[in-house]
Amino acid sequence: NAGVTQTPKFQVLKTGQSMTLQCAQDMNHEYMSWYRQDPGMGLRLIHYSVGAGITDQGEVPNGYNVSRSTTEDFPLRLLSAAPSQTSVYFCASRLNLAGNTIYFGEGSWLTVV
Amino acid sequence: KNEVEQSPQNLTAQEGEFITINCSYSVGISALHWLQQHPGGGIVSLFMLSSGKKKHGRLIATINIQEKHSSLHITASHPRDSAVYICAALIIQGAQKLVFGQGTRLTINP
Repeated sequence: NAGVTQTPKFQVLKTGQSMTLQCAQDMNHEYMSWYRQDPGMGLRLIHYSVGAGITDQGEVPNGYNVSRSTTEDFPLRLLSAAPSQTSVYFCASRLNLAGNTIYFGEGSWLTVV
Repeated sequence: KNEVEQSPQNLTAQEGEFITINCSYSVGISALHWLQQHPGGGIVSLFMLSSGKKKHGRLIATINIQEKHSSLHITASHPRDSAVYICAALIIQGAQKLVFGQGTRLTINP
């Protein structure tokens, strides 16, 4: 049981490049989400999914896409990277909407130059 | 004004001191989470509360739903407790999204 696996841990992108942050969980959790963490601000929700085939936007969705083709995987795509997307990204999952424990990936440090 | 506010933002204390971190929220919630973020960045879940009080080892979390306030206490603090502590409110409507406080950076000196 690996929990939430998030890759890559570090990435440097040039403005305009695209990339995908991978997130996988092996706990059969329904609810998965992506957050970004910026200095002086709390974690902010980018996109979330309440189950396979269902995704929705969070607080800061612009410039990001997600898909949930399986229960296990929830990748986050940066379509055309911008310096404003320099941040630390966290994937998280919980059993369902009211799940007791939130499990976080280890974080991905992304720099866009 | 943020929907979830934490205080203090930074806290430095000596080993052994009793620590209190506060979290206030302005929205309707179904539960409140306390999280710990280690210096390396990893985030772990400490508690989920919907009422009353929970205790795990030296950590105690309380919530007062009427006052929209929660506290995290650490008894007999230790340098290994140094971390960022984050509260997150589970919003009552819609898809029960989490709204996070800005975090409290705790440093415990030996």
